[in-house]
Amino acid sequence: AQSVTQLGSHVSVSEGALVLLRCNYSSSVPPYLFWYVQYPNQGLQLLLKYTTGATLVKGINGFEAEFKKSETSFHLTKPSAHMSDAAEYFCAVTMDSSYKLIFGSGTRLLVRP
Amino acid sequence: NAGVTQTPKFQVLKTGQSMTLQCAQDMNHNSMYWYRQDPGMGLRLIYYSASEGTTDKGEVPNGYNVSRLNKREFSLRLESAAPSQTSVYFCASSVGGNTIYFGEGSWLTVV
Repeated sequence: AQSVTQLGSHVSVSEGALVLLRCNYSSSVPPYLFWYVQYPNQGLQLLLKYTTGATLVKGINGFEAEFKKSETSFHLTKPSAHMSDAAEYFCAVTMDSSYKLIFGSGTRLLVRP
Repeated sequence: NAGVTQTPKFQVLKTGQSMTLQCAQDMNHNSMYWYRQDPGMGLRLIYYSASEGTTDKGEVPNGYNVSRLNKREFSLRLESAAPSQTSVYFCASSVGGNTIYFGEGSWLTVV
């Protein structure tokens, strides 16, 4: 069965510091991988996705993620955190023809001034 | 530029009452989904519809029914609400394996 594990339910960084949110997946076939962001009381917005091709994927708001098959990981990074990045981030995977997304439990990013 | 629209946004139900959450998308997507979000558990798939006329169970279908009324609309019904169904519900849609777009959520409390 496919699954997603996000390490750390809360991550706290200082404004201007590196953001690293971890995501590992389990899959028996090549997956499609996604990162979504959720601001308070709102729906989910796509940050970036990996389907095929280049393993380093760039998304909106300066975020990027790298697909590492050997490590079954898809960690999300941003070189310099901004206060507006404070939100909850969800990693998700899909790998079958129905394109159902399976989500991780989420990581809440706190940005300290 | 509506995207995925859900109604109602907030609802309080008594145990045993029934209600239907409505969802409509204007992006001509084939696939539609209903998820529930609970603290610390991410989003879990309740039901999905890969195309008009088809529906399938997701991870947590018990206590729910769905109807894919047409290509645009996908409703979720709680026949006899239970406190365990207190949650935030998200409707979503997609075309094929491409990006899934979410509505803004429906907050449901069952007392």
